[in-house]
Amino acid sequence: AQSVTQLDSQVPVFEEAPVELRCNYSSSVSVYLFWYVQYPNQGLQLLLKYLSGSTLVKGINGFEAEFNKSQTSFHLRKPSVHISDTAEYFCAVSDLDENEKLTFGTGTRLTIIP
Amino acid sequence: NAGVTQTPKFRVLKTGQSMTLLCAQDMNHEYMYWYRQDPGMGLRLIHYSVGEGTTAKGEVPDGYNVSRLKKQNFLLGLESAAPSQTSVYFCASSYPPGQLPYEQYFGPGTRLTVT
Repeated sequence: AQSVTQLDSQVPVFEEAPVELRCNYSSSVSVYLFWYVQYPNQGLQLLLKYLSGSTLVKGINGFEAEFNKSQTSFHLRKPSVHISDTAEYFCAVSDLDENEKLTFGTGTRLTIIP
Repeated sequence: NAGVTQTPKFRVLKTGQSMTLLCAQDMNHEYMYWYRQDPGMGLRLIHYSVGEGTTAKGEVPDGYNVSRLKKQNFLLGLESAAPSQTSVYFCASSYPPGQLPYEQYFGPGTRLTVT
């Protein structure tokens, strides 16, 4: 069974500063990895995903993430954040044996300070 | 193309009452899922379905039942609501694993309070 750890429950960042949201996973098999964003009072929207190939994945709204197999990490980054990036961000993993199931992390609340 | 819709958006129940949450998708997805979201716990899978007429248990199935009589609909039932079921419920749908795009599409959520 897989698990996901998002160590930072809240991350405050000044507007136009860079941000990194950390995600580590554990699984005994190869995995697919995802980042979802949830804006206040809304459902989840896919930011980006890693299925295979290049370990650097680019997503919507200027976000990117890097898959590091040796560190079992999939950290999310953005070089310059905007007020509109205020949201909760969830990392999720599915393993290739049971890839109909997603396991989510507990989420990181990103707050942008003007 | 409405995507994934959920009915109702909000509901307040008394302990012991029953209700059904409806999820509908218009993307012809085979797979559908019900999650609950609680503060500090992320999303947890309640039940899921890999096709019309099939359902399976997820991580936290106790106290819930589901049915998938039509491909486009997935119903979540609470037979006797308990305060511990106060949560935000999300439905999602996807293509089968191995069929791109491989991602789950989420509905807007139903906020349920049990008093």
